[in-house]
Amino acid sequence: QKEVEQDPGPLSVPEGAIVSLNCTYSNSAFQYFMWYRQYSRKGPELLMYTYSSGNKEDGRFTAQVDKSSKYISLFIRDSQPSDSATYLCAMSAVGSTLGRLYFGRGTQLTVWP
Amino acid sequence: SQTIHQWPATLVQPVGSPLSLECTVEGTSNPNLYWYRQAAGRGLQLLFYSVGIGQISSEVPQNLSASRPQDRQFILSSKKLLLSDSGFYLCAWEVQGGPDTQYFGPGTRLTVL
Repeated sequence: QKEVEQDPGPLSVPEGAIVSLNCTYSNSAFQYFMWYRQYSRKGPELLMYTYSSGNKEDGRFTAQVDKSSKYISLFIRDSQPSDSATYLCAMSAVGSTLGRLYFGRGTQLTVWP
Repeated sequence: SQTIHQWPATLVQPVGSPLSLECTVEGTSNPNLYWYRQAAGRGLQLLFYSVGIGQISSEVPQNLSASRPQDRQFILSSKKLLLSDSGFYLCAWEVQGGPDTQYFGPGTRLTVL
């Protein structure tokens, strides 16, 4: 079983929709959770960072962590065509070597006007 | 502010030829540095990481090597490229001792023919 599982999609939604992106994980030691956005042929860009459980909101983006279920989510409200990208979840464990990150494979999102 | 550069942006090389990809970071000192490869549909694969000049750790044994000749310079090399070396190569940096968040460069797309 991979440490981090992420549905690759593709996910296609109309402009203005609420998007839900999810990852599950198996390692209960994971404490740091990140979401990256990657546009085609570009490097991943850090979008959200959370520590342990709970919610974090930044504009139209909300990251949720449910450690009891080993499940993290990224919600995008009022989605825009500019949100079309691949979204990667990443996580790491406290005390892991050099903050090693474990990545999901990414979910490809298309928001059509 | 910190910036990370990679070059070249794209590269087409014949099988058996050498390789040198360069990554430099500006605006920070003594970062942790990482090389990843991203193959289509296969997520991010960590290749090498470094905590300081001359200190390189390899995650995956293969015909690639890395060097860190200066604090903010990270080089990925190969003496003889294989077809399987094709992919999108990403360099990332992280604050040493800071939160487990990595910041990626723009990437180098390598095609081996």
